Amino acid sequence: DVKVTQSSRYLVKRTGEKVFLECVQDMDHENMFWYRQDPGLGLRLIYFSYDVKMKEKGDIPEGYSVSREKKERFSLILESASTNQTSMYLCASRHGDWGTEAFFGQGTRLTVV
Amino acid sequence: AQTVTQSQPEMSVQEAETVTLSCTYDTSESDYYLFWYKQPPSRQMILVIRQEAYKQQNATENRFSVNFQKAAKSFSLKISDSQLGDAAMYFCAYRSGPSGTYKYIFGTGTRLKVLA
Repeated sequence: DVKVTQSSRYLVKRTGEKVFLECVQDMDHENMFWYRQDPGLGLRLIYFSYDVKMKEKGDIPEGYSVSREKKERFSLILESASTNQTSMYLCASRHGDWGTEAFFGQGTRLTVV
Repeated sequence: AQTVTQSQPEMSVQEAETVTLSCTYDTSESDYYLFWYKQPPSRQMILVIRQEAYKQQNATENRFSVNFQKAAKSFSLKISDSQLGDAAMYFCAYRSGPSGTYKYIFGTGTRLKVLA
């Protein structure tokens, strides 16, 4: 089975801190995604990466950056956390050539105080 | 740009009954995929069912089936013989076909409650 693992289920950070959310997948997937989930807004794409060192902005990239140095790992970085970044963050991956559905991690609930 | 709309924020169904969750989408593409994902309280999103737009036949997975109306751009999910374990958030999602973008576009979700 495909496994997408996010490093933390819950995080509490202070305003202004630099925050790293880590995601690892074990199926050699080319594509990886970071989504933010908020009530009533569904899932919104922050960034995605279609291969190592390749990235594209999603719909809400402001305040975030990403890093993909290795194929299995995709990191989301909050350069200076703010309270409006309190949310659920979901990582997903997909095989690049023939994959149809995305596989998701268990989510990280981030609270910025 | 593609959009996905789920107009039912919350639905309830009695155990063993049937419920239909609605989803509409907007696109100018002819080749795409549609999905229903389930997010239980444990938060792990799980694929329920998928449909390729070029396939006329509606997808079915055990108690889950879809009603795919391509011309109407409608993609509803029917859950038969509802079980307590079906209680979850359900998200409808769209993805462009092989020549399109890599993005998945999600609706806002429908919370399904199953009553014992």
